[in-house]
Amino acid sequence: GEDVEQSLFLSVREGDSSVINCTYTDSSSTYLYWYKQEPGAGLQLLTYIFSNMDMKQDQRLTVLLNKKDKHLSLRIADTQTGDSAIYFCAESIGSQGNLIFGKGTKLSVKP
Amino acid sequence: DADVTQTPRNRITKTGKRIMLECSQTKGHDRMYWYRQDPGLGLRLIYYSFDVKDINKGEISDGYSVSRQAQAKFSLSLESAIPNQTALYFCATGRKSTGQGSLRETQYFGPGTRLLVL
Repeated sequence: GEDVEQSLFLSVREGDSSVINCTYTDSSSTYLYWYKQEPGAGLQLLTYIFSNMDMKQDQRLTVLLNKKDKHLSLRIADTQTGDSAIYFCAESIGSQGNLIFGKGTKLSVKP
Repeated sequence: DADVTQTPRNRITKTGKRIMLECSQTKGHDRMYWYRQDPGLGLRLIYYSFDVKDINKGEISDGYSVSRQAQAKFSLSLESAIPNQTALYFCATGRKSTGQGSLRETQYFGPGTRLLVL
């Protein structure tokens, strides 16, 4: 079945880069997503990438996609304490585009 | 005003009780979802609906039921609550768009309902 895997925790120092990794199983996924969940809140779409792209950059965020290895990563440059949150990777599956979420990576940013 | 609202935000109930969680949206989206979030397990889909009266089971629908009587409302019921249904419950709406010839969906989440079943 479909599965999305992420490491559960990542700790970085303020100002460093953070890299959150994700692997997925459905090679037919057309879109892959990163969602952010701040403490006490619901998830919010951060960015997405279409499967025929290998990189997408949006200000401090860089998404890299290796479709051959089914590996997705999110890089946050100059990480700030406000970036502390849980980050979820998700893939869209099937003709209806339902989302399968990973378990989430909790990013802790130390001053 | 929030686009996706959930009530109640917190609820404590006892084993065997029936409870209902409500979700309302002002985004005008046809698609709505109910997820539960457990530590270390991420988000799991309970039920989803693509239109009024359309109901589909998700990954973990046992012990739950839903109702979609109007586009803006999607309610989740626990017919007889049990302690392992203690979790954080999220409602979401979905907006479809087409890009690169494929379907893409953005989901918008409510703030969550924290449920404790004693």
